[in-house]
Amino acid sequence: LAKTTQPISMDSYEGQEVNITCSHNNIATNDYITWYQQFPSQGPRFIIQGYKTKVTNEVASLFIPADRKSSTLSLPRVSLSDTAVYYCLVGSGINNAGNMLTFGGGTRLMVKP
Amino acid sequence: AAGVIQSPRHLIKEKRETATLKCYPIPRHDTVYWYQQGPGQDPQFLISFYEKMQSDKGSIPDRFSAQQFSDYHSELNMSSLELGDSALYFCASSSTADRTASSYNEQFFGPGTRLTVL
Repeated sequence: LAKTTQPISMDSYEGQEVNITCSHNNIATNDYITWYQQFPSQGPRFIIQGYKTKVTNEVASLFIPADRKSSTLSLPRVSLSDTAVYYCLVGSGINNAGNMLTFGGGTRLMVKP
Repeated sequence: AAGVIQSPRHLIKEKRETATLKCYPIPRHDTVYWYQQGPGQDPQFLISFYEKMQSDKGSIPDRFSAQQFSDYHSELNMSSLELGDSALYFCASSSTADRTASSYNEQFFGPGTRLTVL
C-alpha cells in the first residue's frame, strides 16, 4: 500500500478556500486517490476520489498532477461545519470484493469564525 | 435514504466478558467492513465480507471473530475482552455493482458502537 503524508493540522476562516495536499510518492499504476472526512465520534464519510487530472463534485475538487505523486483536496468557501479530520487514502480500486481502507495520519482542519 | 445500522450504539463490559456487535448494511450492498478506532487514533481495518465470504483480514485479534449472514447483516464477536478493546467500532458497507471510476473506494459508514471495557 502506498504511504501517504499530509499536514497534521490546518487552520482556516469561514468563507476561505482550503487546500490540503497529500504526498504519495510510491503510488502504484492502478492506485486511486480517495479522500474521507470524519467528524468526532462519527464514521468517516467519502468525499471524493480520482485517478488523474481534476475531479470535481458538489462538495470538493481533487487535483492530481501528471506524476500522481501528490494530490490536493480543495474545499471551496469553508464553514464552521467543515471542521473535521480529512484523510487521504491511496489504494487499488479494482477488486471484485471491495477494498479495505487504510487510514493514517489525517489532517485536522479547524475552521474559525 | 437508508443508512448502515449498528447496534447497540453503546456497550459497557467487564474484562474477560464477551460482546457481540451487529451491523445491518445498506440494502443491496454486498460487502461489509469492520473498523476499530481507539481514542485519538485513526480507524483501523479489522475484517471484511463479500457475499457472505470473508474477503480481507486486517489487524483483527484472534479473540475476535465475525461473520456475514444470509440476509447480509454481520456480527462481530469479541471474547476475553481487554481494557485495550475500548474503542469505537464502525461497520461500513459498499456495493460492487454500483462502483464507478469515481467511487471504487466509497464505503458508507454506520454511526458506530462505542465499547467500553471496565
